[in-house]
Amino acid sequence: EADIYQTPRYLVIGTGKKITLECSQTMGHDKMYWYQQDPGMELHLIHYSYGVNSTEKGDLSSESTVSRIRTEHFPLTLESARPSHTSQYLCASSEGNQGIQYFGAGTRLSVL
Amino acid sequence: AQKITQTQPGMFVQEKEAVTLDCTYDTSDQSYGLFWYKQPSSGEMIFLIYQGSYDEQNATEGRYSLNFQKARKSANLVISASQLGDSAMYFCAMREGYSGGSNYKLTFGKGTLLTVNP
Repeated sequence: EADIYQTPRYLVIGTGKKITLECSQTMGHDKMYWYQQDPGMELHLIHYSYGVNSTEKGDLSSESTVSRIRTEHFPLTLESARPSHTSQYLCASSEGNQGIQYFGAGTRLSVL
Repeated sequence: AQKITQTQPGMFVQEKEAVTLDCTYDTSDQSYGLFWYKQPSSGEMIFLIYQGSYDEQNATEGRYSLNFQKARKSANLVISASQLGDSAMYFCAMREGYSGGSNYKLTFGKGTLLTVNP
């Protein structure tokens, strides 16, 4: 099981602010993922990375950006937050052939 | 077309009884993986169980078992002896492509909200 940490847990912020959601894992997993989830709905993949300096956009278009400079760290940035960005953001990592993903506790973002 | 279909938006079960949560999937790949996750109201996603498409036996993990019917493309989750703490949202997910290949992305269903009554 992975140890994967997301901060902040909750964030309320005004429109137009720049925000960075942090995600770190201590298991040395190569693969990391960001999902967006509205309340009571399914998860949508917005970004993923299969290794350092490798990032790809997911299935759901997002105005956010990500970076992967270190194996353990996969932050997500919104340059200018809008109310439409209000959602829960979940970070995950995986290792091994089965591709079992282990998730952080999530960040619940509210943009006013 | 939906790749993962969970037709039960909500399910109720009495404590100590068994419950089956339905999941059907759609893929043309011969090799794929199926997953179940639990999401309590606190929001985190907890991995429960995995089934590979070539696994001959149904996966089991404690009180969780996966009823894998390949010909019907179904991967139902069975929870035995339900507990109050099992009340949560349950998501079925699929990874297409063979284990160790280049695709590790998961596609999730819309989820089933399970409520365990005392």
